[in-house]
Amino acid sequence: EVQLVESGGGLVKPGGSLRLSCAASGFTFSSYSMNWVRQAPGKGLEWVSSISSSSSYIYYADSVKGRFTISRDNAKNSLYLQMNSLRAEDTAVYYCARGRNLKQWLVPFDYWGQGTLVTVSS
Amino acid sequence: EIVMTQSPATLSVSPGERATLSCRASQSVSSNLAWYQQKPGQAPRLLIYGASTRATGIPARFSGSGSGTEFTLTISSLQSEDFAVYYCQQYNNWPPETFGQGTKLEIK
Repeated sequence: EVQLVESGGGLVKPGGSLRLSCAASGFTFSSYSMNWVRQAPGKGLEWVSSISSSSSYIYYADSVKGRFTISRDNAKNSLYLQMNSLRAEDTAVYYCARGRNLKQWLVPFDYWGQGTLVTVSS
Repeated sequence: EIVMTQSPATLSVSPGERATLSCRASQSVSSNLAWYQQKPGQAPRLLIYGASTRATGIPARFSGSGSGTEFTLTISSLQSEDFAVYYCQQYNNWPPETFGQGTKLEIK
């Protein structure tokens, strides 16, 4: 069974930092690209960042570029999101989601974690 | 960036009736369109991909259609558990894989 479990959320002051983690199991983690998607309270879904299976390709939404860093450790089946210079508008539930694999480039996000809440407030 | 527009924002339907949700892309996304269902406090769940293929375990009352820029999600006979927010997402041109703003399906 595919499982994605996020952790690391919490309350942080504006300008602060936080590191999110996503532990994956039930599939060959190193064969899939991974994504972070966020959802502000009462709002829709916003793609944040993605990383290819071997970390060769990394992409960010303009809203987080230069402040957030995505990374992964395939040996630990884990995905990370380092968030710096946090702003009130970064307040959201952050989901990790599985993306494309080595054989298929055009695929949806088929599995999602339960999310972790990040609150940026003084 | 491709903009996805969903309509209506809110849809009120009675249990047992049919619901039709729409999604429009600002440019062609071929058939690389997915639908997700999200219930309060839960993560999104993949319903439909490839515009019309049901994901594993999704009941047959959910169907998707369309290609290019116009897409539809139809729920043939609404059950109580179907009342939720539905999002479309294009994954033809990335990054980013953009989402629509969502349609809230509520009980009439």
